[in-house]
Formats: sequence, structure tokens, C-alpha cells
Amino acid sequence: DGGITQSPKYLFRKEGQNVTLSCEQNLNHDAMYWYRQDPGQGLRLIYYSQIVNDFQKGDIAEGYSVSREKKESFPLTVTSAQKNPTAFYLCASSTQPGSSGVSYEQYFGPGTRLTVT
Amino acid sequence: AQSVTQLGSHVSVSEGALVLLRCNYSSSVPPYLFWYVQYPNQGLQLLLKYTTGATLVKGINGFEAEFKKSETSFHLTKPSAHMSDAAEYFCAVSVLDMRFGAGTRLTVKP
Repeated sequence: DGGITQSPKYLFRKEGQNVTLSCEQNLNHDAMYWYRQDPGQGLRLIYYSQIVNDFQKGDIAEGYSVSREKKESFPLTVTSAQKNPTAFYLCASSTQPGSSGVSYEQYFGPGTRLTVT
Repeated sequence: AQSVTQLGSHVSVSEGALVLLRCNYSSSVPPYLFWYVQYPNQGLQLLLKYTTGATLVKGINGFEAEFKKSETSFHLTKPSAHMSDAAEYFCAVSVLDMRFGAGTRLTVKP
């Protein structure tokens, strides 16, 4: 069964602690993405990676870090520098853009709800 | 850069009524267009997509959308709403990267 897994589903942390969210895919996709979702704001892109060992900042990268050491895995670390880390985090993957450069559909994991107090 | 606007953050319909969720986009080149559905505390699931070809696109769960280039629109419709359609719906436009609308929450009244 191909898909994307995110763990854990719910995560609680104290302010000032770093926390790492897991994202794994077995769809053989080259590209992977991290989004943050807040009520009424849709999805905002944090980081994306189009190939192993390479990643780019999205619109709201401050206070976050990522790594892409394996094609299947794209973990996200929420650092203590992130001012408002409480949110729903979604990981997604897709095939590489086509020759025209247009991106194809993204497939999403079930999400991790992070609460920081 | 491309962008997408979903008109109406909340839409309420009665069970059996027509569902119409509006999406307008802006893009300087022909985009790919998508509709996703999200149930509470879950990820997004692809409903349908438009890339090229036929402008009327059929998706899962009886939904369809029509790409109208002249109106830069990609509205989502379903002839008869079911209680299970209650969810949040996101329109997305893709050129070099994908951009999502703010979402429309659909409520279905019995």
C-alpha cells in the first residue's frame, strides 16, 4: 500500500524545546513538502525538496529546519526560534515537475498536530 | 506569480441540494488546477484535477469542475449534497509551484 505516513498524530511540547516531526513516503516521489495549516489561513509552505540532499525555503521557513538524506524521508524540526509553533503540520510528496516546469498533484500525509505550551 | 481565491469561507447547503464552491485563479501561463478535500484532523485528498484537454473534469464522490479560461475560474459542483460531503475544500493552482486557496468549509444540513 503506497502512501505517506506522518508520526506522531498528536505531539505536545514545552516552550523552548526543539521537536522533530517525521514524514515517510513509499510512492517513489522525488519531491517532498512541508506545510503549516492554521484555521482560516489555508496551507503555507515551510520547506520543500526536489531531490535528495537538496531543499529550499518556502514562504515561512523561519524557525524551522529540514533534512533530506533519503528519498523516502523528509523530517521537519520545529526549533525554539519559531514564535508560534502550535499548528497542524502536513507533509506532501509529488513527482518531479514535467518538462514544462508545471508541478503535478501533491499527495498528503495524515498530518501532525503540534501543541506547544 | 500565480494565486487562487476561493469565494466564501463557509458554504451551507441542505442535503440533496446543489453544491457550488467557487474558485478563481490568476496565472500568466496555462496552469494546472486542483480541488482537494480535507476532513477534520486529516490530510488533504485529491478530488479532481485539470491539466490539459477536456475542460469539464469529473472527480471522486460525484464532484466535477469546469475550467473556464475566459473567466479564470475552476468552480467545484455536485448535483446533490450528501451529509458525508461536509468537509473543508481547497482549490489549488500550479505553475512552477503549487498555491492553495484559503479553503471553503462546507456544511450540509439534514
